[in-house]
Amino acid sequence: DTAVSQTPKYLVTQMGNDKSIKCEQNLGHDTMYWYKQDSKKFLKIMFSYNNKELIINETVPNRFSPKSPDKAHLNLHINSLELGDSAVYFCASSRAAGLAVYNEQFFGPGTRLTVL
Amino acid sequence: SQKIEQNSEALNIQEGKTATLTCNYTNYSPAYLQWYRQDPGRGPVFLLLIRENEKEKRKERLKVTFDTTLKQSLFHITASQPADSATYLCALAASTDSWGKLQFGAGTQVVVTP
Repeated sequence: DTAVSQTPKYLVTQMGNDKSIKCEQNLGHDTMYWYKQDSKKFLKIMFSYNNKELIINETVPNRFSPKSPDKAHLNLHINSLELGDSAVYFCASSRAAGLAVYNEQFFGPGTRLTVL
Repeated sequence: SQKIEQNSEALNIQEGKTATLTCNYTNYSPAYLQWYRQDPGRGPVFLLLIRENEKEKRKERLKVTFDTTLKQSLFHITASQPADSATYLCALAASTDSWGKLQFGAGTQVVVTP
């Protein structure tokens, strides 16, 4: 069974379109994350939700909007896509995050987004 | 500004030898540091975690050291095998900024040849 799954795996779209990426985890974790990995391979945190509550919101254009319908799902919606949004987006989850809590993160397979 | 540096050059190593990777950081007081492995086209996979008050951690053929004075972590793969070929990422969690927020280095690619 896949622990953290994402759909779609590949997404090719035109500039200006709106698209969504879905993420689901079956690990029973409370915390989920979205990361962006650019062409230079840097993995940067975008958002994190703990039990459906937004706890990390990095400096990300407000065209990006996460949504967590329940603690097993965290979706990412992107409006008005731009060329610079092309990257690989990873979803991850961990046991409850919090102060002084040291938890490994489990990553999904990634969604490669290409904006033309 | 906070910075995490990993050797950008690929590390080519012969099977059976020990691979040593470095992770240096500046303007950080990390609560803990993690190492992940990433294969092409896949998500990172957690390997080891070491806390700020720990000097060394081991797991099978892997060893991590953490020197908060030098602001450096070393990651060792002993008796390396071709299957160890991958990119290895270090990630730091800042002491004053938790909630699972990790800052990743760009990774070092390891190539193990038979």
